[in-house]
Amino acid sequence: QKEVEQDPGPLSVPEGAIVSLNCTYSNSAFQYFMWYRQYSRKGPELLMYTYSSGNKEDGRFTAQVDKSSKYISLFIRDSQPSDSATYLCAMGRTSGSRLTFGEGTQLTVNP
Amino acid sequence: DAEITQSPRHKITETGRQVTLACHQTWNHNNMFWYRQDLGHGLRLIHYSYGVQDTNKGEVSDGYSVSRSNTEDLPLTLESAASSQTSVYFCATSAGTSFHEQYFGPGTRLTVT
Repeated sequence: QKEVEQDPGPLSVPEGAIVSLNCTYSNSAFQYFMWYRQYSRKGPELLMYTYSSGNKEDGRFTAQVDKSSKYISLFIRDSQPSDSATYLCAMGRTSGSRLTFGEGTQLTVNP
Repeated sequence: DAEITQSPRHKITETGRQVTLACHQTWNHNNMFWYRQDLGHGLRLIHYSYGVQDTNKGEVSDGYSVSRSNTEDLPLTLESAASSQTSVYFCATSAGTSFHEQYFGPGTRLTVT
């Protein structure tokens, strides 16, 4: 069983939709939770990170962490075609520990 | 602007050959990482380095080696390329003790025939 599970999709939504992307994990020691965005044939880039539980909002993006359920989510409001990318969740035990990545979910936002 | 460059961007090699992938960064970050990305597996850590002369094995290090002689470069060597090493390879860096904010290079697509 993988430490981090993420549905690879693909996920296709119309422009303006609310998108929900999720990951589950099994290691209760994870405290740092990240979402990276990867455009086709590019390297991943950090989108958001959250320490421990709670919500974090940045513009149209909201990251949620539920440590009791070992479940994290990324919500995208008013999705745009430019949001079409693969979204990878990543987790770490401490700020200085290596990251464990999910497989990534491929998202397409249709105009 | 600071950046990470990887070379070559594409490479085809034969089984059994030694291959070296280059990674050069101008962020002046201490930490450098090599990942491979495959369908069904996501990003997996191969090797990483906290600084000059320091190297550590990741989760899929067999058949790979790295050495760090300066801050800017962390070349990845495949000692004897195998078809199972066909993948996209990414170099990444991070500053200080913060591994969560990693900056990635554009990737090298390696095919072993």
